[in-house]
Amino acid sequence: LAKTTQPISMDSYEGQEVNITCSHNNIATNDYITWYQQFPSQGPRFIIQGYKTKVTNEVASLFIPADRKSSTLSLPRVSLSDTAVYYCLVGDPLFSGGYNKLIFGAGTRLAVHP
Amino acid sequence: SAVISQKPSRDICQRGTSLTIQCQVDSQVTMMFWYRQQPGQSLTLIATANQGSEATYESGFVIDKFPISRPNLTFSTLTVSNMSPEDSSIYLCSVEGSSYEQYFGPGTRLTVT
Repeated sequence: LAKTTQPISMDSYEGQEVNITCSHNNIATNDYITWYQQFPSQGPRFIIQGYKTKVTNEVASLFIPADRKSSTLSLPRVSLSDTAVYYCLVGDPLFSGGYNKLIFGAGTRLAVHP
Repeated sequence: SAVISQKPSRDICQRGTSLTIQCQVDSQVTMMFWYRQQPGQSLTLIATANQGSEATYESGFVIDKFPISRPNLTFSTLTVSNMSPEDSSIYLCSVEGSSYEQYFGPGTRLTVT
């Protein structure tokens, strides 16, 4: 399972775009990149998943360069409610025996200020 | 997505006792997972529970300490046995979605005194 590296913390202000970059230099050919969000006293919530190029949903965008050694989660126009810990995970569901074995790193603590 | 509930939401237990945590899903799922999150830390996978077979434990976790049941496709339990203060954590269950994403329950906050 590829190891991921993220900034420990980030600060932003309401209305700004936030980009959180995750490094995964040892990503394998079949690995997918997945991001989760966790609010205090809650379980993590799936945000977005991708394999290459760009993926966008109603919550965020995920940018993956051609070499796939990093990925960037982009949160447009953050609000105070986006204050949370964001986790980047890399894994191959089929390698783990048909299910996605999630190995969580330390994550990035995002603080959004008024 | 799946809706997951856990019981109890929190508990305070004395050392040496055991606590069983329940996880209920609103749909049938093959794989269920149990995690532990110690205060201020990230999540650590305890075990994977596939219905109809023995749970698969991660390194550092053993069945005698964390027995798991998976009686059907919507329910699982995790027991924390012979508790010590070091077992004070949040315990979370999760299930896998159709694209291998996982959906987590709200967690059970356990304090051992």
